[in-house]
Amino acid sequence: EVQLVESGGGLVQRGGSLRLSCAASGFTFSSYWMNWVRQAPGKGLEWVANIKQDGSEKFYVDSVKGRFTISRDNAKNSLYLQMNSLRAEDTAVYYCAGGEGWTARDWGQGTLVTVSS
Amino acid sequence: EIVLTQSPGTLSLSPGERATLSCRASQSVVNNYLAWYQQKPGQAPRLLIYDASTRATGIPDRFSGSGSGTDFTLTISRLEPEDFAVYFCQQCASSPLTFGGGTKVEIK
Repeated sequence: EVQLVESGGGLVQRGGSLRLSCAASGFTFSSYWMNWVRQAPGKGLEWVANIKQDGSEKFYVDSVKGRFTISRDNAKNSLYLQMNSLRAEDTAVYYCAGGEGWTARDWGQGTLVTVSS
Repeated sequence: EIVLTQSPGTLSLSPGERATLSCRASQSVVNNYLAWYQQKPGQAPRLLIYDASTRATGIPDRFSGSGSGTDFTLTISRLEPEDFAVYFCQQCASSPLTFGGGTKVEIK
C-alpha cells in the first residue's frame, strides 16, 4: 500500500523558517516525480514545487521561488521542503504527492503550516 | 502560465442525476495532460482521471473524462451519495502546474 506521510508543520512567525518532510513507503520512491501542493484554509489547491526522480530537475511556482527549496533523498525514501522567509500567505495545509509523470497519483494527508504575523 | 477556469462554481443535483463539470484552459494543454481530482472535507485530493480521459486505478466507471486542447469535461453519469464533493482540474503539461478553482457538487 502506497503511503505518504508529511511532518514538520506547525506555527511559525512571519519571516521564519520551517522544513517539511514526507516519508514514502509501499512503492519505488525513486521512480516518482514528487510534488508539494498546498491549500490555504477554505481555498483551492495550489501547486508549489516538484522534483524529478533523480533530483536533477526542480520547478517552482513564482510566489515561492528564492524562498522555498524542494529536495529528496532516495536512499531514505523521503521528500523535503525547506521554507524560508515565510509570509502570512504561506499559511496552508501542505500535501506531498507523487506519480511517475507530473500527474500526482498518490497523496499524503497533509501537514498544516501557520504563519503568524 | 496556463489558467484553468472551472464552471459552474457549484452544482446542485440529486442522487442518480448526471453531473457535467467543465474546465477551460487559457491555452492548449499539450498532449491533453489534464487531470481531475475529487476532494472531500478534511481529506486529501484523490486522482480520478488523468490524460483527460483515463480513469485512475479503482475509480468507478460512472466517472468519465473527455475533451482536448482547451476544453475538458468531467462527467459523473449517476451521482452516488459519496460523490458529493469538490472537484478540481489540473494541467500537468507545463510548469507551473496549475489547478482550476474547483466545482462543488452539492446535494439538492
